[in-house]
Amino acid sequence: AQSVTQLGSHVSVSEGALVLLRCNYSSSVPPYLFWYVQYPNQGLQLLLKYTSAATLVKGINGFEAEFKKSETSFHLTKPSAHMSDAAEYFCAVSPYGDAGNMLTFGGGTRLMVKP
Amino acid sequence: DTGVSQDPRHKITKRGQNVTFRCDPISEHNRLYWYRQTLGQGPEFLTYFQNEAQLEKSRLLSDRFSAERPKGSFSTLEIQRTEQGDSAMYLCASSPAGRTLNEQFFGPGTRLTVL
Repeated sequence: AQSVTQLGSHVSVSEGALVLLRCNYSSSVPPYLFWYVQYPNQGLQLLLKYTSAATLVKGINGFEAEFKKSETSFHLTKPSAHMSDAAEYFCAVSPYGDAGNMLTFGGGTRLMVKP
Repeated sequence: DTGVSQDPRHKITKRGQNVTFRCDPISEHNRLYWYRQTLGQGPEFLTYFQNEAQLEKSRLLSDRFSAERPKGSFSTLEIQRTEQGDSAMYLCASSPAGRTLNEQFFGPGTRLTVL
């Protein structure tokens, strides 16, 4: 069974500071990995995904994530936080191969950006 | 806008009543997923359809829950004899099927409150 752990349910950074949101997964084989963002009262929007190609994945809004198999991690980073980045972020995994692609989500990390 | 739509956006009901939610996926997508998200948690997979066939159901989907996708287009999720523990955001997502990983596009969700 797959699982996802997001360390830190709340992260607070100052505007312009580095954003680092942590995600570790548990899976028998490297799965597909995703980061989604959720703004208040909205659905989820895909930021980026890892599909076994490049280990450093670039996404929208300046976010990127690096897949590290040895650490079973897929941490999300952004060099400089913007006020508009304040939202809930979810890491998710999906089984490798075409197995319905059901997503298993972590508990989420709420990012707060201070002016 | 041709994204995933859900109706209603909000539903307040009394314990014991039945409720039904609707999801309209992106028109060319033949996979449709339902997830449930409780406050402060990540979404949890409930069930998914490929065309009109329901291919997977989570153990979270008790016998009070039923989902249909009769013509392979829109889907409904019905909850019978609602309980306070059913209060959550119900998210629908769709994706094209295929051998490669495809992004799931999420709707805005239906927030259910059971009094």
